[in-house]
Amino acid sequence: GAVVSQHPSRVICKSGTSVKIECRSLDFQATTMFWYRQFPKQSLMLMATSNEGSKATYEQGVEKDKFLINHASLTLSTLTVTSAHPEDSSFYICSASAGAGGRMSNQPQHFGDGTRLSIL
Amino acid sequence: GDSVTQMEGPVTLSEEAFLTINCTYTATGYPSLFWYVQYPGEGLQLLLKATKADDKGSNKGFEATYRKETTSFHLEKGSVQVSDSAVYFCALSGKAAGNKLTFGGGTRVLVKP
Repeated sequence: GAVVSQHPSRVICKSGTSVKIECRSLDFQATTMFWYRQFPKQSLMLMATSNEGSKATYEQGVEKDKFLINHASLTLSTLTVTSAHPEDSSFYICSASAGAGGRMSNQPQHFGDGTRLSIL
Repeated sequence: GDSVTQMEGPVTLSEEAFLTINCTYTATGYPSLFWYVQYPGEGLQLLLKATKADDKGSNKGFEATYRKETTSFHLEKGSVQVSDSAVYFCALSGKAAGNKLTFGGGTRVLVKP
C-alpha cells in the first residue's frame, strides 16, 4: 500500500516552456502533499507544502509565481514550473501523507519516483 | 529549529560486512524519526521509522533504535548485500512542524562484491 505515482519521470524541453508535473496517491487519501527539489549528490530541499483545497505554503526563497502548486483533490497535486530556464533543471520529488497535524502528525510521507527536468 | 546530522559518505563496504550509519538530531518535543533509502534515479522509499523513545524500527535486515538520551537514531545492518548500495537519509518529523520532514544530508553506501 501507500503508493505515490509521479509523472512524467523525465522531461527535456526548451527554455521558456512551462512544465507540469503530476503527483498522485494511488491507494490512500493524501491530506498533505510536499514538493522537494534535489540537486546532484545533495539532500532534498523542501519547496512547498500543500493541503487539499487550500493554497500551498512555500518555503523561504522559493518563488511561488515560478513554481505553481495545485492540490485540487485528495489524490492529486501538480507542480508547474513556469517559463523554465536552465537553472531550473533539477530532480523534483513529491511526497504524500495522510497526516496534517494533530493526531495524524505521525503519518509518514510516501514518495514518488521523482521527475528529472532538463531545460535546454 | 529542527536539524538532522548524519555521517558523510561515501561508505564503501564489502558484501556481508556490518554497516552503521550514524544519525543525530536536534528537535523540540518528541519527533518521529525515519530512515529513507534512495536508489539511483529514483525517489525515496521509507525504510523504517520509530515514533517514540526506545522504539526500534526494523525492515529488510536494517534496524535503528530511537535514543532520546543521546538524540540518536543510528542505522545498522549486520550483513550488507550489493543490492543495498544506495543513498540513505535520516529524517525527523515534529508535530509542531505540521508533519514536515527535516532531512539529513544523506549517506551514500557502496557495497562491493
